[in-house]
Amino acid sequence: EDQVTQSPEALRLQEGESSSLNCSYTVSGLRGLFWYRQDPGKGPEFLFTLYSAGEEKEKERLKATLTKKESFLHITAPKPEDSATYLCAVYGGATNKLIFGTGTLLAVQP
Amino acid sequence: GAGVSQSPSNKVTEKGKDVELRCDPISGHTALYWYRQSLGQGLEFLIYFQGNSAPDKSGLPSDRFSAERTGGSVSTLTIQRTQQEDSAVYLCASSRTGGRDIQYFGAGTRLSVL
Repeated sequence: EDQVTQSPEALRLQEGESSSLNCSYTVSGLRGLFWYRQDPGKGPEFLFTLYSAGEEKEKERLKATLTKKESFLHITAPKPEDSATYLCAVYGGATNKLIFGTGTLLAVQP
Repeated sequence: GAGVSQSPSNKVTEKGKDVELRCDPISGHTALYWYRQSLGQGLEFLIYFQGNSAPDKSGLPSDRFSAERTGGSVSTLTIQRTQQEDSAVYLCASSRTGGRDIQYFGAGTRLSVL
């Protein structure tokens, strides 16, 4: 069964304290892994798509990486405005649908 | 508009009533998706429209749920005889051509069934 697991469920960081969020997946024939950011009361906002193992993408303080079994979202020197829920989703496998993880709630304290 | 628009933003209804939720996708996007997001749960796929093809309804949880897309644009998700377990945020997304294209989400409709 296609599955996405994100860890940790919640993460509290001090401003400037770098860390990583994990997204582990089991899907046959991955065709894309997506990272989204979701603020309270809003819909998910697209961040990155990764298509093959070894691929990396960066945007400001965020960097996403992909292996054959997992993806990491690295946050370097986070600021309070980076506080949000970060969602991972995979496309591929038997269903050809986006399968979402339950997200990591990130809180960055000043 | 520039993004996916959903209405209403909030809906409170009584158990047993029918509700209609509306989604206006990004202009020119041929693919439209509906998801449900419950507290502590991941986004749950409900239904997928792609162009003029028959919709993929495989995620609809019961026959009380239905959706249509008129003219390849606006979509309406209808829940009949609402139950308390239907309370959730209903999110709509659209993408340019479907498949692994980036999905862009609306702000959602928060449904509360009393």
